[in-house]
Amino acid sequence: GIQVEQSPPDLILQEGANSTLRCNFSDSVNNLQWFHQNPWGQLINLFYIPSGTKQNGRLSATTVATERYSLLYISSSQTTDSGVYFCAVERLRSGNTPLVFGKGTRLSVIA
Amino acid sequence: KAGVTQTPRYLIKTRGQQVTLSCSPISGHRSVSWYQQTPGQGLQFLFEYFSETQRNKGNFPGRFSGRQFSNSRSEMNVSTLELGDSALYLCASSFSVRTDTQYFGPGTRLTVL
Repeated sequence: GIQVEQSPPDLILQEGANSTLRCNFSDSVNNLQWFHQNPWGQLINLFYIPSGTKQNGRLSATTVATERYSLLYISSSQTTDSGVYFCAVERLRSGNTPLVFGKGTRLSVIA
Repeated sequence: KAGVTQTPRYLIKTRGQQVTLSCSPISGHRSVSWYQQTPGQGLQFLFEYFSETQRNKGNFPGRFSGRQFSNSRSEMNVSTLELGDSALYLCASSFSVRTDTQYFGPGTRLTVL
């Protein structure tokens, strides 16, 4: 099956700093989503981005499908950004295979 | 529009018992997927339902089963619980099948003693 690797596994930031999270995947995809899981376990969809660039406030994401990676940028981080960030993908022309999640990047933003 | 709801939020069971978890998708969404999250294995896919039909099943034993009703609500059942079934069970809904934004519920935290 498709492999999804996220880096770094852990990240500690001072409030106000910027960060870049990376997601590498091993095969062509037709679905890539970024999620944020808050400390209470709720998964929030951040971006649906199988290719291209999107921005939403302080967050932006870029997927370079031909090179099989996606980046999530967080600018001017806030303590509320803390949690785990997951990348999930679905392999292209996969028929009925499900979303495969990476192991996540745990972000801690310190005031 | 109300989000995805899951009941119950917390559950404590003993080994050998069975459990039923419920998920109500966002109104208008016809696809429901279930995931198990554990510290060791991360997020793993359990099943996906669309219009009452199971479209896919993850690599879990037959003790794990599910169904979807005509109103798109879904239930999953785990029989003969084992200690390793302790996990956060997450439900996600989307308008169509997986090539679509998925919205997750708050999860059901199951503890098996």
